[in-house]
Amino acid sequence: NAGVTQTPKFRVLKTGQSMTLLCAQDMNHEYMYWYRQDPGMGLRLIHYSVGEGTTAKGEVPDGYNVSRLKKQNFLLGLESAAPSQTSVYFCASSYSDLSYEQYFGPGTRLTVT
Amino acid sequence: GIQVEQSPPDLILQEGANSTLRCNFSDSVNNLQWFHQNPWGQLINLFYIPSGTKQNGRLSATTVATERYSLLYISSSQTTDSGVYFCAVESFMNSGYSTLTFGKGTMLLVSP
Repeated sequence: NAGVTQTPKFRVLKTGQSMTLLCAQDMNHEYMYWYRQDPGMGLRLIHYSVGEGTTAKGEVPDGYNVSRLKKQNFLLGLESAAPSQTSVYFCASSYSDLSYEQYFGPGTRLTVT
Repeated sequence: GIQVEQSPPDLILQEGANSTLRCNFSDSVNNLQWFHQNPWGQLINLFYIPSGTKQNGRLSATTVATERYSLLYISSSQTTDSGVYFCAVESFMNSGYSTLTFGKGTMLLVSP
């Protein structure tokens, strides 16, 4: 099993450009999450999904959109990138609710200039 | 929302030393997890421990839910233990679902 994978690993964008980050998991997990990690801030939840076709806002959702068309994939979109979105983005998944452990992908380092 | 505070923020150890990391949280929780982020950025789940004590090799964790804190013990530390240790606790969103709120972490450096 590959676990949780993220594409791409690195990306540099100019202000105003758009992009989509892809998260895939092969563990048949229901729940999937997108976090951002900034220096000294820990991880903050952007959006999450509790099942195929469902998404919900987390702590810092502004400027991001998500979609969960297939159970194994969770996409994070930036429609018009801003320098404040420079961060490391992590995807995670869990079998069900928080009674189960969360498993993390390797992260995507995004720089917006 | 729930507040999660970790201490100390930074810790430097000599290889072979023991250490205790602390996580305080502001409300009762049904879920608490400890994670290790290695120097390459990978996050690994160490413990799911809403209450009680668990051990895994040189690492152990204890959560006293009634007093709203958890401790992570590292014994006989090794250089591979270096990285950032995060505590994360359950928090409820407006949607009614619960997610994890992370502390800011403890950065550990183990020197040979």
